[in-house]
Amino acid sequence: NAGVTQTPKFRVLKTGQSMTLLCAQDMNHEYMYWYRQDPGMGLRLIHYSVGEGTTAKGEVPDGYNVSRLKKQNFLLGLESAAPSQTSVYFCASRRLRDYSSYNEQFFGPGTRLTVL
Amino acid sequence: ELKVEQNPLFLSMQEGKNYTIYCNYSTTSDRLYWYRQDPGKSLESLFVLLSNGAVKQEGRLMASLDTKARLSTLHITAAVHDLSATYFCAVDATVTGNQFYFGTGTSLTVIP
Repeated sequence: NAGVTQTPKFRVLKTGQSMTLLCAQDMNHEYMYWYRQDPGMGLRLIHYSVGEGTTAKGEVPDGYNVSRLKKQNFLLGLESAAPSQTSVYFCASRRLRDYSSYNEQFFGPGTRLTVL
Repeated sequence: ELKVEQNPLFLSMQEGKNYTIYCNYSTTSDRLYWYRQDPGKSLESLFVLLSNGAVKQEGRLMASLDTKARLSTLHITAAVHDLSATYFCAVDATVTGNQFYFGTGTSLTVIP
């Protein structure tokens, strides 16, 4: 069981370049999330998905797009990178919410992105 | 707007001492989570608190939940250096049901 994996681990972009971050989970979880973490800001939700083919905006969605074509994968895209998007990006997943289990989120190892 | 506030934001304590981290939240929630993050690493689940009055303990850490007061605490007993990390609480908001709302984290440094 690999859990939640993220690709790539590190990336440096120039302003205006585009890229896609890949998140994959092998736990058959329904929900998947993308967060960014900046110093002193905690984790902020970018987008999330409650199932294959569905996505929703989180707290800071501007400048990002997402897709969930397969249940196990959640892609985060930056169409035109800006220095303000320099951050550490975490993906997380969890099972369908029910009242008999813990439903905690499981996190990937993170992607460190620098935009010059 | 839903808010999750942790205090203190930074905590420096000597080995062997006790201290408590507080997590206040502004919405109805039936569950509260505590995570640990080591520098440069991902978040690791520590505790899941499912109901009012819930108490969980693991080693030198004990977490509790008071849903009426909308307060959770993470108590550290006889701190050791290995506990140095950033601790986050997160609320699973019953209104939305799909999102977690994270506190800004408490950076704990245990000094030998």
